[in-house]
Amino acid sequence: GAGVSQSPRYKVAKRGQDVALRCDPISGHVSLFWYQQALGQGPEFLTYFQNEAQLDKSGLPSDRFFAERPEGSVSTLKIQRTQQEDSAVYLCASSLVRPPGEQFFGPGTRLTVL
Amino acid sequence: QKEVEQNSGPLSVPEGAIASLNCTYSDRVSQSFFWYRQYSGKSPELIMSIYSNGDKEDGRFTAQLNKASQYVSLLIRDSQPSDSATYLCAVNGAGGTSYGKLTFGQGTILTVHP
Repeated sequence: GAGVSQSPRYKVAKRGQDVALRCDPISGHVSLFWYQQALGQGPEFLTYFQNEAQLDKSGLPSDRFFAERPEGSVSTLKIQRTQQEDSAVYLCASSLVRPPGEQFFGPGTRLTVL
Repeated sequence: QKEVEQNSGPLSVPEGAIASLNCTYSDRVSQSFFWYRQYSGKSPELIMSIYSNGDKEDGRFTAQLNKASQYVSLLIRDSQPSDSATYLCAVNGAGGTSYGKLTFGQGTILTVHP
């Protein structure tokens, strides 16, 4: 079956612009996660949804970051007033069940802020 | 102390040898443990999950978990050049603010040379 998909795959933004990153989880997966990965590092947790409920947003680095999953399927990660330090790969993962089940990652969106 | 620690490597092994990758974690009550493989420029791919003490084998891969020592390892038998990648250890917390999110190590770079 289809895996997790993300769009766009690459995004270049000027500092101060707003961006929106989309994640389509595996069909039927209850849990959805966003991670941020800097070059040479492991992914860092940003936020977690169970269906449409955002149960943990403790990893969001500032109030410029906002995520939603209004119908319990597709999710959008929005970054307002982007800064150079926001440049990273943003990974989405989904899981069939509630934690601590296996998480499957999408291809990621590489964000470059100039 | 980092929550999940791995030797960054690089670890270099000859083709056909056993590659041994190690990981320690600090949260004593962690419940589930995962190994991901990440090729350069790609997203993490789940290769093993382990939930209870002991060994778990899947093809050429064996995961080993020792909760008393807070240690998890991955053995790759008959290593192939195609196994050359970064291997990420990930731990899922047991509850509270840790529940749901995966905490990753920084990854170990493995190179298998012909």
